[in-house]
Amino acid sequence: IVLTQSPGTLSLSPGERATLSCRASQSISSSYLAWYQQKPGQAPRLLIYGASYRVTGIPDRFSGSESGTDFTLTISRLEPEDFAVYYCQQYGSSPWTFGQGTKVEIK
Amino acid sequence: QVQLLQSGGEVKKPGASVNVSCKPSGYTFTSYGISWVRQAPGQGLEWMGWISAYNGNTKNAQKFQGRVSMTTDTSTSTAYMELRRLTSDDSAMYYCARDLRAIPAAKGAFGYWGQGTLVTVSS
Repeated sequence: IVLTQSPGTLSLSPGERATLSCRASQSISSSYLAWYQQKPGQAPRLLIYGASYRVTGIPDRFSGSESGTDFTLTISRLEPEDFAVYYCQQYGSSPWTFGQGTKVEIK
Repeated sequence: QVQLLQSGGEVKKPGASVNVSCKPSGYTFTSYGISWVRQAPGQGLEWMGWISAYNGNTKNAQKFQGRVSMTTDTSTSTAYMELRRLTSDDSAMYYCARDLRAIPAAKGAFGYWGQGTLVTVSS
């Protein structure tokens, strides 16, 4: 399953809303879609699993949703620490695959 | 707290093999699966394969079939990934990552990650 993320780069200001898209080339079994955040020099961090379930400890400004083969990560109000690269990943069928990433940068 | 400690960086020549270890702590080793994910410099994430620490079952990405081996040692609670016949394209940061949920729940969302092992392939 190929995951296509858009846009490649999102330039926003703190306090603004970020909407990141991840489109799957085919249906993902059981909504097994995750979102990760990665900052420079760090390992990725899991934010969302099962398309919409937030990991314990992740702020509620992060939310995930799905519509068919389209998945969305929304950050309701960007905080300075949210500027990073975000990846979607499907684990519904092997091989598990990642999207190419969306960079959220400070405008 | 859950931590995954990986072995140190490696420099290898083309054609050689590399062995990366991953030693988790803070949970029961055999209750979770572990995946290996790599990231070339400036690039995205690439899943290589998964191993059950419970019974050693594996899933590998076809791209690495025949070149990668994933094993676990339950006596030392350590996971290993060996990649053979290295080329310059294998230069990357290699991460181990633990499933978020325990076996037999759905595997494949990576809730905890190691710090990464940088593998450089150069003649």
